[in-house]
Amino acid sequence: KNQVEQSPQSLIILEGKNCTLQCNYTVSPFSNLRWYKQDTGRGPVSLTIMTFSENTKSNGRYTATLDADTKQSSLHITASQLSDSASYICVVRQGSNDYKLSFGAGTTVTVRA
Amino acid sequence: KAGVTQTPRYLIKTRGQQVTLSCSPISGHRSVSWYQQTPGQGLQFLFEYFSETQRNKGNFPGRFSGRQFSNSRSEMNVSTLELGDSALYLCASSDGTHSYNEQFFGPGTRLTVL
Repeated sequence: KNQVEQSPQSLIILEGKNCTLQCNYTVSPFSNLRWYKQDTGRGPVSLTIMTFSENTKSNGRYTATLDADTKQSSLHITASQLSDSASYICVVRQGSNDYKLSFGAGTTVTVRA
Repeated sequence: KAGVTQTPRYLIKTRGQQVTLSCSPISGHRSVSWYQQTPGQGLQFLFEYFSETQRNKGNFPGRFSGRQFSNSRSEMNVSTLELGDSALYLCASSDGTHSYNEQFFGPGTRLTVL
């Protein structure tokens, strides 16, 4: 069973609207969580990194939240633009000595004019 | 700084053949990780090399292997190709010394196995 679950699998929104993507994880112990944006045909690019003590972090129109108690994170996109059309991937780093990352399957966002 | 580069960008092979993919990390980065990405499975971790040593390995068969050179460049080899190996292979580089180090991904190599 995947330790990182993302929802929804895909969504379509109109330009200018807001949307929220969800990431639930069971990875333990927890070190940090990153949200990546992957445009079609390109490699993922990091949007934000959240550590255990952080609740909210923004990067322009992207705002990530983390609830370490419930092991949930969200990525909120404000005033969506056509360029926001991409896959958004949640990646959780385990907090142990061995290097281990767990990846969500991603949410595909399509922004329509 | 130049980004992560991967060659070739596209590759078509037939079943049973073998293939070698190359990745040049960002200058100064010592960690290189390889991932397989398919529409159904998302990103799957293959292995990570740090200072020429394999530091971590995912759950892939032995047909998938890799190595890292002294200049941190890395290669990934897949032998006896199967149809299911068709995927986007991504390489990511990082400093590799801290858990918060960001991974920078290359554009990927699109492998098609016929």
